[in-house]
Amino acid sequence: KAGVTQTPRYLIKTRGQQVTLSCSPISGHRSVSWYQQTPGQGLQFLFEYFSETQRNKGNFPGRFSGRQFSNSRSEMNVSTLELGDSALYLCASSFGLAGGLLNEQFFGPGTRLTVL
Amino acid sequence: GENVEQHPSTLSVQEGDSAVIKCTYSDSASNYFPWYKQELGKRPQLIIDIRSNVGEKKDQRIAVTLNKTAKHFSLHITETQPEDSAVYFCAASHGSARQLTFGSGTQLTVLP
Repeated sequence: KAGVTQTPRYLIKTRGQQVTLSCSPISGHRSVSWYQQTPGQGLQFLFEYFSETQRNKGNFPGRFSGRQFSNSRSEMNVSTLELGDSALYLCASSFGLAGGLLNEQFFGPGTRLTVL
Repeated sequence: GENVEQHPSTLSVQEGDSAVIKCTYSDSASNYFPWYKQELGKRPQLIIDIRSNVGEKKDQRIAVTLNKTAKHFSLHITETQPEDSAVYFCAASHGSARQLTFGSGTQLTVLP
């Protein structure tokens, strides 16, 4: 099976712009989670989608949003970019169960976002 | 919410020695504890995980132990090799949370 893929791999934006990142989960996986990784804050949970519905959200401002499509692919959007948004954005896919335990999560290679 | 603390932040061992990384968690409802290895510039890779109904799990040179009473779990790597050098993250989750809370990471260096 192909692994989790993310596009683009690298992005450079300026403050105030918006950005959309894409994640394609492992075939058959229905849950996609997004994480932000920075040297200072480590790995922090953004949100999780299952069956096109956001099931959980971390402590990030409303500028961070996402969605999931019927084929389980997911996008996240960051509006009005700030310098502090520079980070590696990772998505992780898992088989997922509607109300059940979190299954093993497998990460994509990430999108490196630099905000100038 | 859940809080996961990880120690040490850096660890250097001689090739062939063992390495132990420890994590504590705060939410007694947490029941899933994965460990990830992240090499420089690469994605985190799941190396082993344990659920709260199990006290220990082994996979070749890697083992994880869980003490639910004390709310801590540990990663043990035996017979370390230079390719084990990476950052290791522990994480915790409970079913309804549907998210992983990560520790701050341990930079493991295996010296040849």
